[in-house]
Amino acid sequence: GESVGLHLPTLSVQEGDNSIINCAYSNSASDYFIWYKQESGKGPQFIIDIRSNMDKRQGQRVTVLLNKTVKHLSLQIAATQPGDSAVYFCAENNDYKLSFGAGTTVTVRA
Amino acid sequence: DGGITQSPKYLFRKEGQNVTLSCEQNLNHDAMYWYRQDPGQGLRLIYYSQIVNDFQKGDIAEGYSVSREKKESFPLTVTSAQKNPTAFYLCASSRQGSYGYTFGSGTRLTVV
Repeated sequence: GESVGLHLPTLSVQEGDNSIINCAYSNSASDYFIWYKQESGKGPQFIIDIRSNMDKRQGQRVTVLLNKTVKHLSLQIAATQPGDSAVYFCAENNDYKLSFGAGTTVTVRA
Repeated sequence: DGGITQSPKYLFRKEGQNVTLSCEQNLNHDAMYWYRQDPGQGLRLIYYSQIVNDFQKGDIAEGYSVSREKKESFPLTVTSAQKNPTAFYLCASSRQGSYGYTFGSGTRLTVV
């Protein structure tokens, strides 16, 4: 699989490989985190969420990992498919609102 | 089907004109939000409303105004005071106390 240690704005992945998208959050008091997927020209769609009392949560082909010590969040996508090409955002709760990261553009190579 | 509708999808305006973006939801959500998205950047909060007839400024409210006269509707006006209004605008809604936002499909505003 391909991964990035730090947040990078783009990620190119071979179809079938695993993808890892990283996100650093800023607020130590945040207790809820969400990953969104945004396809070109569309609004973001919910992928998976995690509360701060958890370290890991799995969905269908996706896993979110939370490291509160270093305020780091990651999204793992298994067996990346062409339909996974999109911009992925992490978000943290912030006083009844969500604050979003800058996003990572994932491009899947055939 | 329940959802959130933004219109129009594309909007062109001349510099100096005010323009209003529509956002309607039939999800019975209490809270509604407006975000701005610029290329290569995350979503930045303009205004939000947690209940009818009440709204709060977000991080970049200058040059924008909103109203929340009905639960279903949260229109955003981009005024001539907004220095760089060309952007992609996203509206979202959620149940009160929930962070599970439902987003609209966005309005791309171009000011020439």
